[in-house]
Amino acid sequence: GENVEQHPSTLSVQEGDSAVIKCTYSDSASNYFPWYKQELGKRPQLIIDIRSNVGEKKDQRIAVTLNKTAKHFSLHITETQPEDSAVYFCAATPNAGGTSYGKLTFGQGTILTVHP
Amino acid sequence: KAGVTQTPRYLIKTRGQQVTLSCSPISGHRSVSWYQQTPGQGLQFLFEYFSETQRNKGNFPGRFSGRQFSNSRSEMNVSTLELGDSALYLCASSQGARGNEQFFGPGTRLTVL
Repeated sequence: GENVEQHPSTLSVQEGDSAVIKCTYSDSASNYFPWYKQELGKRPQLIIDIRSNVGEKKDQRIAVTLNKTAKHFSLHITETQPEDSAVYFCAATPNAGGTSYGKLTFGQGTILTVHP
Repeated sequence: KAGVTQTPRYLIKTRGQQVTLSCSPISGHRSVSWYQQTPGQGLQFLFEYFSETQRNKGNFPGRFSGRQFSNSRSEMNVSTLELGDSALYLCASSQGARGNEQFFGPGTRLTVL
């Protein structure tokens, strides 16, 4: 089955700096890679996702890059703000035959702290 | 559209009891996935239901089961509760056909004493 490794486990940055979180996956059939942000006591929220036919996707201050050959993908947050402080999870899912099977395999999470 | 809802939000049970958790997906979503979240194991996939059929299953014992109704609402059941079942149980809904985007509910916090 799929295995997703996420690094680093904790990340501390100053407000305004950039933050990068990296994930690797094992199943070459995986072709959908979402990122979730979970604030303390809240539900995971989908912040950005990428599919395997795209190398990069951007949404304001966040971007995700995908390298299918190396089987890794990364989340980039620019101009970080204190409200970006949360746990970030990457995930991967195969999409066999074009049908979503609704199974996400998650990384272990990264605790991001943005200091004012 | 209303988001994914889960009931109850909190539960306290004792070992050996059973529990049923409920999840109502976003209107129009036909897929419901369930996940267990613990500090040690992170987010782990339990199972997914689509059009009342279990379409995928994770690596959990048979004590964990689920079902989906014709209105796409889903329930999961855990029988013979163990201390290690204490966790946040999250469900997520998606369109299930072409879309992969999953949207999570607030979760049910289960404590087993």
